[in-house]
Amino acid sequence: KNQVEQSPQSLIILEGKNCTLQCNYTVSPFSNLRWYKQDTGRGPVSLTIMTFSENTKSNGRYTATLDADTKQSSLHITASQLSDSASYICVVSLGSITGTASKLTFGTGTRLQVTL
Amino acid sequence: DGGITQSPKYLFRKEGQNVTLSCEQNLNHDAMYWYRQDPGQGLRLIYYSQIVNDFQKGDIAEGYSVSREKKESFPLTVTSAQKNPTAFYLCASSILFQNNEQFFGPGTRLTVL
Repeated sequence: KNQVEQSPQSLIILEGKNCTLQCNYTVSPFSNLRWYKQDTGRGPVSLTIMTFSENTKSNGRYTATLDADTKQSSLHITASQLSDSASYICVVSLGSITGTASKLTFGTGTRLQVTL
Repeated sequence: DGGITQSPKYLFRKEGQNVTLSCEQNLNHDAMYWYRQDPGQGLRLIYYSQIVNDFQKGDIAEGYSVSREKKESFPLTVTSAQKNPTAFYLCASSILFQNNEQFFGPGTRLTVL
């Protein structure tokens, strides 16, 4: 069964600190892995995408890593800001034929709270 | 201003009533999707459409119906057959290409009274 598991479930950190969120997946065939940020009551917004051959991708203070052999990914946030408070969702896309809709498996998310 | 819009933002329904959630996109995307989000669970796919006048069931289609009469629009009807409809509903769209990104709308929160 295709699954995406994230840890921790929730996290509280002080503003300015770094943190790392984890994602393990059993999705096959694998196409790509994305990290989304979802503010409360809003739709998810893509932060990074990595394919099988990529092992790191950065977007500002967000850096994602991927180990396709162990099927693990992490999202590292540096110098956290209050606006980073949100849920972070790991999403794995199944391999599909070009020209067809992508099939996504979503993790349950890590809820991050950044405090003063 | 391009993007995906969903309306209404909040919707209240009495038991036994059908309700329709709106989703519109002006990104010229071929594919559109409906997801349901519940606390503590990952997003689950309800229906998706790759082309006008065609749509496919997702993992939890029972109690829902959709139509795709126009490329820009993909409304979702939550019928009275859906046993537990209270949830946050998200619409998304994408181009049909490998590694394509799905862009999400702002969501509709449906509450059954």
